[in-house]
Amino acid sequence: DGGITQSPKYLFRKEGQNVTLSCEQNLNHDAMYWYRQDPGQGLRLIYYSQIVNDFQKGDIAEGYSVSREKKESFPLTVTSAQKNPTAFYLCATKGSIGTDTQYFGPGTRLTVL
Amino acid sequence: AQSVTQPDIHITVSEGASLELRCNYSYGATPYLFWYVQSPGQGLQLLLKYFSGDTLVQGIKGFEAEFKRSQSSFNLRKPSVHWSDAAEYFCAVGAPSGSARQLTFGSGTQLTVLP
Repeated sequence: DGGITQSPKYLFRKEGQNVTLSCEQNLNHDAMYWYRQDPGQGLRLIYYSQIVNDFQKGDIAEGYSVSREKKESFPLTVTSAQKNPTAFYLCATKGSIGTDTQYFGPGTRLTVL
Repeated sequence: AQSVTQPDIHITVSEGASLELRCNYSYGATPYLFWYVQSPGQGLQLLLKYFSGDTLVQGIKGFEAEFKRSQSSFNLRKPSVHWSDAAEYFCAVGAPSGSARQLTFGSGTQLTVLP
């Protein structure tokens, strides 16, 4: 079954702990994205990756890190340096250049206690 | 820099009534435009997109949108709203093909449907 998988759906962590959010896709899409969503602010881009072993900062990259070791996977680590990490995190993918449409996973809600 | 404005934070309509959600964009060239819908706690689902050609675009679930270059708008419409349409709707503008970064989102419009 093709699609984008994000796990876990809900995640609770204590303040000061790093946490890694998973994003996996079997769509064979080249580009992958991480967005953060807060109420009333729409989606803000954290990081994106066009190809394996390459990624770029988005608008709000501070306090986050990513890796792209495989085409199918683009994990996001929320570090202790992120001052307000509680949010809904969305992963998206896009096919090769020319398709121009991003498709979204179901999201992970992170709550820092 | 590209930007998107959705002027209405919250809209309430009765079931069966018509709907129009507004979207204004700022972009230096012909943009790529998208409407997505999000149910609570879920990811975003693509409703429709405009790249070029006919300015009236048909999407899923009976939605349509019209690109008006002179007004920098891409408003979403539906002739008769169903209770299941209650959700949050996001308009997005994209850079041309070749730009991996691509999308800028509006802040969303929350739709409530009254029985």
